[in-house]
Amino acid sequence: DTGVSQDPRHKITKRGQNVTFRCDPISEHNRLYWYRQTLGQGPEFLTYFQNEAQLEKSRLLSDRFSAERPKGSFSTLEIQRTEQGDSAMYLCASSLGQGKNEQYFGPGTRLTVT
Amino acid sequence: SQQGEEDPQALSIQEGENATMNCSYKTSINNLQWYRQNSGRGLVHLILIRSNEREKHSGRLRVTLDTSKKSSSLLITASRAADTASYFCATHSGSGAGSYQLTFGKGTKLSVIP
Repeated sequence: DTGVSQDPRHKITKRGQNVTFRCDPISEHNRLYWYRQTLGQGPEFLTYFQNEAQLEKSRLLSDRFSAERPKGSFSTLEIQRTEQGDSAMYLCASSLGQGKNEQYFGPGTRLTVT
Repeated sequence: SQQGEEDPQALSIQEGENATMNCSYKTSINNLQWYRQNSGRGLVHLILIRSNEREKHSGRLRVTLDTSKKSSSLLITASRAADTASYFCATHSGSGAGSYQLTFGKGTKLSVIP
């Protein structure tokens, strides 16, 4: 049973560049979540998908951020025109739904914007 | 914004001792979950307690929930060095906007000294 995987694990980029992260959830999970975590803080919710539909978006998700989940399988999170304040760990999680609310997290992608 | 507040922020104990962490939250919840995070890694789900439950056990973990005080506690008995990690409580509101996201606290950093 494979868990949630994320790629890449680390990304260093220069300010103004675009970056894209990928998340592969647990195969039978229809819910997928993106969170952002900065040093010393708990994860903060960014967005949520049920199958391919993006159902919730946080106010943290500015118009530079976009997420997709084509075909309801893997998901991508793109950040355009990165800023130093975007430096954080980006965590993906999935859950089964159907009353099962436990979320299973991937290892995260650590983004550093220089 | 973060709903939960863990207390203490940091806790250092000797191996074999018990560790107690507390979490307070602000709004009504459907369930409350505890997660563990080793340094620089993703989160691992530990235990979920529903709003109509008062206490739950899983191995060396004991969680209590007091909805009248909007608080929860996590007890780890007979701690081991491998328990060294950050522990987060996360609330799930379960209704309306934001109903599928988890809202995390800032975490308690636990150090277990061998």
